Amino acid sequence: GNSVTQMEGPVTLSEEAFLTINCTYTATGYPSLFWYVQYPGEGLQLLLKATKADDKGSNKGFEATYRKETTSFHLEKGSVQVSDSAVYFCALSRNSGGYQKVTFGIGTKLQVIP
Amino acid sequence: KAGVTQTPRYLIKTRGQQVTLSCSPISGHRSVSWYQQTPGQGLQFLFEYFSETQRNKGNFPGRFSGRQFSNSRSEMNVSTLELGDSALYLCASREEGSYEQYFGPGTRLTVT
Repeated sequence: GNSVTQMEGPVTLSEEAFLTINCTYTATGYPSLFWYVQYPGEGLQLLLKATKADDKGSNKGFEATYRKETTSFHLEKGSVQVSDSAVYFCALSRNSGGYQKVTFGIGTKLQVIP
Repeated sequence: KAGVTQTPRYLIKTRGQQVTLSCSPISGHRSVSWYQQTPGQGLQFLFEYFSETQRNKGNFPGRFSGRQFSNSRSEMNVSTLELGDSALYLCASREEGSYEQYFGPGTRLTVT
């Protein structure tokens, strides 16, 4: 079946540090890949997406590149802010029986300290 | 457009009771999915409804059920509650053919 693997964290960084959250996946075919972010007390919000190999998704300074050869979709940001503190979920979506089936990773908690 | 709304936001129930949670999707979205979020298991897919029909189901016992109404609003029901059912229950809606899901804020269920 499909699966997504990411570190649970927490990841603690100082403000303006470089961020990498690793995500690898297992899926047949060609899934679409996503990063969602969940701020405290809220639901998930789509952060960025990539729908085919070598695509780069980007939003709010975050980037991730769809690497089919390494089945990875690592999230990066050059300079984190305190306001980036949240839980980040990697996810894949694949068409299964005519429907989109979404599989989420366990989520990585990011804490950014001033 | 208004976002996805879920009611109630918080709920405390006792073991053995049943509970019904409600989700109103974004206007025009006919697909509604439900997820259970716990610290140990992360986000686990419960089921998806589209046009009043369940078309996808996760690996949860039959105590977990749902339905969708003609206006796309959805409810999920958990019967004979267990302590392990304590979780944040998230609802998400999307347009047919789109990958992007829009999540509600969730209902925090505590079973004592």
